Amino acid sequence: SQKIEQNSEALNIQEGKTATLTCNYTNYSPAYLQWYRQDPGRGPVFLLLIRENEKEKRKERLKVTFDTTLKQSLFHITASQPADSATYLCALAAGGGNKLTFGTGTQLKVEL
Amino acid sequence: DVKVTQSSRYLVKRTGEKVFLECVQDMDHENMFWYRQDPGLGLRLIYFSYDVKMKEKGDIPEGYSVSREKKERFSLILESASTNQTSMYLCASSSPPASTDTQYFGPGTRLTVL
Repeated sequence: SQKIEQNSEALNIQEGKTATLTCNYTNYSPAYLQWYRQDPGRGPVFLLLIRENEKEKRKERLKVTFDTTLKQSLFHITASQPADSATYLCALAAGGGNKLTFGTGTQLKVEL
Repeated sequence: DVKVTQSSRYLVKRTGEKVFLECVQDMDHENMFWYRQDPGLGLRLIYFSYDVKMKEKGDIPEGYSVSREKKERFSLILESASTNQTSMYLCASSSPPASTDTQYFGPGTRLTVL
């Protein structure tokens, strides 16, 4: 069956370090993958989209990689700040469809 | 800025009541979605709609129905609320093409069924 896995354990890192979050999937052939941020009690907010033919995408301090052979995406936040503390969700979509399937998310805590 | 609003932030209902959750978006998006979010289970798709009066079942439609009479409004209906429907409900909208299918979410409605 199709499965999206994100680390359920919270990731604690020190301010200024690079945070790396993982999204693994099985039995999918996604056309693109998205990352969202969710703060407590609020809806997710879109961060980045990467297509299957792209290896890497950057936006300011954020970087996403997409390895369709490993069936994995990595999400990096460089020079992390306490304000980056949130839950980060990955979401996959097949080509031609408008439906996303979300992972369960990983909580990131950036400490001073 | 895209805005997706949901009728209530918090709602408390009794078992057996009919519950309406309303979602409105102001960006003329064709697609609208209802999810529920539970700890450890993540976001699960209940129903979605590609156009007015069109609806499709998501992954967990049992116990729910939807209505989309106008493009901007998508309603989720719990015909007879049960305690296992206590959850955070999130509405989202998006616009084709599929290559840029970013979903915009509302703030969520935390529903408690007693």
